[in-house]
Amino acid sequence: DSGVTQTPKHLITATGQRVTLRCSPRSGDLSVYWYQQSLDQGLQFLIQYYNGEERAKGNILERFSAQQFPDLHSELNLSSLELGDSALYFCASSVAGGQGLYGYTFGSGTRLTVV
Amino acid sequence: DQQVKQNSPSLSVQEGRISILNCDYTNSMFDYFLWYKKYPAEGPTFLISISSIKDKNEDGRFTVFLNKSAKHLSLHIVPSQPGDSAVYFCAASAQNAGNMLTFGGGTRLMVKP
Repeated sequence: DSGVTQTPKHLITATGQRVTLRCSPRSGDLSVYWYQQSLDQGLQFLIQYYNGEERAKGNILERFSAQQFPDLHSELNLSSLELGDSALYFCASSVAGGQGLYGYTFGSGTRLTVV
Repeated sequence: DQQVKQNSPSLSVQEGRISILNCDYTNSMFDYFLWYKKYPAEGPTFLISISSIKDKNEDGRFTVFLNKSAKHLSLHIVPSQPGDSAVYFCAASAQNAGNMLTFGGGTRLMVKP
């Protein structure tokens, strides 16, 4: 157990729908990152939050949004879902804005299947 | 623009032999380089890292080598064990970019008994 909790583990939904993925960071970590991994490809950075504020944005679609709440958990909202959004979505956390040599701690991911 | 590349999608090695996983990068501003290991149905886990001021870092069976002039790093696993079979991602970050990790596409390592 890495200490980063992601729910749900699996999600199957239809095209056009909206889903919310949830992440609880490791205790003491202020930064949360979201990554997408499609079809055994690399990890694509989506967005980072630090202590409730958006810190950095990557290749995140306009249909996707995220937020970090006062208790530091984060939610990734995916709307108007398309078949191509099927992927593994990982959340990671770190103490501050990344710890250089120690990187981030990842959760076990949410597998989203859009049918 | 892929700043971090792993050109070998897969590698097969015999148990007990050396596994060498390679990674190339283009951004000369990267300060830290990391390797993550990923088993199926699990998230990536941190394995080993190296700062740009060093050229080698060793931790047990794992050694990471950095060649800054060639913008190349490699992970050596000696001796390889069947439990090492996983996908390995290299990643890099720059302090002036908030240490945001940029990942390569991964290399699937298979260690045969």
